[in-house]
This record gives sequence, C-alpha cells and structure tokens, in this order.
Amino acid sequence: QVQLQESGPGLVKPSETLSLTCSVSGYSISSGFYWAWIRLSPRKGLEWIGSIYHTGSTNYNPSLKSRVTISVDTSKNQFSLKLSSVTAADTAVYYCARDRGYYDNGVWGQGTLVTVSS
Amino acid sequence: ETLLTQSPGTLSLSPGGRATLSCRASQTVTSNYLAWYQHKPGQTPRLLIYGASTRATGFPDRFSGGGSGTDFTLTISRLEPEDFAVYYCQQYGNSPQTFGQGTRLEIQ
Repeated sequence: QVQLQESGPGLVKPSETLSLTCSVSGYSISSGFYWAWIRLSPRKGLEWIGSIYHTGSTNYNPSLKSRVTISVDTSKNQFSLKLSSVTAADTAVYYCARDRGYYDNGVWGQGTLVTVSS
Repeated sequence: ETLLTQSPGTLSLSPGGRATLSCRASQTVTSNYLAWYQHKPGQTPRLLIYGASTRATGFPDRFSGGGSGTDFTLTISRLEPEDFAVYYCQQYGNSPQTFGQGTRLEIQ
C-alpha cells in the first residue's frame, strides 16, 4: 500500500526558504503519476502548490510560481518542495500527495505544520 | 484561474437531516472534473466524489454528487454524526487546479 511521509523544519523565519521532502513507500515514483504539494491554511483553505512527474516535468500554481521549486529524486523515491521568501501568510499544514488531478484516499501524507515566525 | 465559490459557508443541521452544499465555478469546468473532499480536524482531507458524481471507495450511498458546467452540488441525505466536517470542492479540469474555500457542516 502506498504511503507518503513529509519531513522538514516546522519553523521557518520570514524571508527564508521553506524546504520539505516527501518520502514515498509502496510505490515507485518512476512508475507514473504526478506527485503534488498542497497546503491548508485557515486564511486560504486548501491550495495546490504544484506537481512533478518522475521525468522532472513540473506544473506550478501561478500565484506561487515565482517562489516555488519542486524536484524529484527517483533513486530515493522522494520529491521535495522549496518555497522562497516566506512570510506569515505561508504558515500552513503542508501535504504531499499523489496527483491524479484529484487526490485518492490514503495517498496523502499525514501533513506537516510549518510556521513562519521570527 | 477558475474560482470556486462554495455556499453556504456554514450549514447547521441535525442528524437525520439532509444537507445540500453548492460549488459554483467562475468558468465551465472541463469534462466536469469536479471533486469533493471531507475534512475532519486532525485528519487528512478524504476524497468523497470525483468526476462530479462518482463516489469514492468507503463512502455510503447517502452521499451523492451532481451538477455540470459551472454548478455542482453535494447532497448528504440522512445525516449521521460522523458526517459533520468541512467539505471542499476542487476542479481539476482547468489549469491550474483550484479548491473552493470550504463549507463547514455543523451539528445544530
């Protein structure tokens, strides 16, 4: 069964870069699908950040595109998120998930809270 | 970008009642690629409906999705205590995919 697990710092200072990694088990990223980052905040609700294919092809939310980089490491079966120049508005629970356009039950990470604060 | 507007923001009903949640898109959702998620505190959002009307595994038939084009609905008949949660719609037919702001279904 597919499992995803986010990891990374829970506290990031304003203007710095948020970095998270999603480790996938039970399924090889190289086998297909897009892999996404989504966040949930009280202010904006759910927001799709972007997705990546195992080839490295990416799609980003235009509202975040200038600050987002998503990368994949197929050798480690992981994909990663970098969000630069963060502000308090980037405080959210960040989820990684398998992107089929929609998001299947059980193919989300548990989510990790990232707080932007000095 | 396709803006999704959900209404009402909060819906207060009693167990046994019927809930009708609305999701309106600012432009036609291609191929009616519209999904609904149920989100309970401390849990991961859970896919409920995809393709506007196909129920995901694990949800009973008291949940139904409908609509097309720009207007979509989620109906929950015979509310059970475990149904009280926040419900989000998502469109994945137009790029970028977008989510509605959510409807909170609370016990009256």
